[in-house]
Amino acid sequence: EAQVTQNPRYLITVTGKKLTVTCSQNMNHEYMSWYRQDPGLGLRQIYYSMNVEVTDKGDVPEGYKVSRKEKRNFPLILESPSPNQTSLYFCASSLRGQATGELFFGEGSRLTVL
Amino acid sequence: QQPVQSPQAVILREGEDAVINCSSSKALYSVHWYRQKHGEAPVFLMILLKGGEQKGHEKISASFNEKKQQSSLYLTASQLSYSGTYFCGTPGSGNTGKLIFGQGTTLQVKP
Repeated sequence: EAQVTQNPRYLITVTGKKLTVTCSQNMNHEYMSWYRQDPGLGLRQIYYSMNVEVTDKGDVPEGYKVSRKEKRNFPLILESPSPNQTSLYFCASSLRGQATGELFFGEGSRLTVL
Repeated sequence: QQPVQSPQAVILREGEDAVINCSSSKALYSVHWYRQKHGEAPVFLMILLKGGEQKGHEKISASFNEKKQQSSLYLTASQLSYSGTYFCGTPGSGNTGKLIFGQGTTLQVKP
């Protein structure tokens, strides 16, 4: 089944404790992206990757890192999480650049930072 | 640069029609529409490209007027399954890597 898989789905952590949210897609998509969703703000793009080893900042990259060493994986790293990073995170992928392509979203990862 | 959606929320009865608008302060060459049901991930509805074309998905259609820098989503004869939050998305300037979403419009369809 074609899908985007995120882990963990739910996480409660404390300020400063490094964490990684994994994202994997099995559709051989070139493009992958991370979004955070907060009430009233919609979906805000954190980082995106047009292909392996190519990543770039979205609109809200502060406090996050990403890497794209393999086509299928695009982990989101929070080196030192803070309470303002409490949010619902979505990973998404597209066959090519999303300007012309359908985005497939993962089920989301709800992160709480205490 | 975030597109602006209106209205913020709509409540309908089954069978009624609704229109959701999406406008941008910058030139557009495409507009994307997604629907997110409560507790789920956003799901793609359609993409509209330059040319003012209309596209359809079930009884949901959309138009895109690049001169006015806006798009409208039309929901005809609403069904309970149409309930959710609708997002429009517009590509970043000169950059196909960014897709910027509006703040969303919550649609509730009642029996």
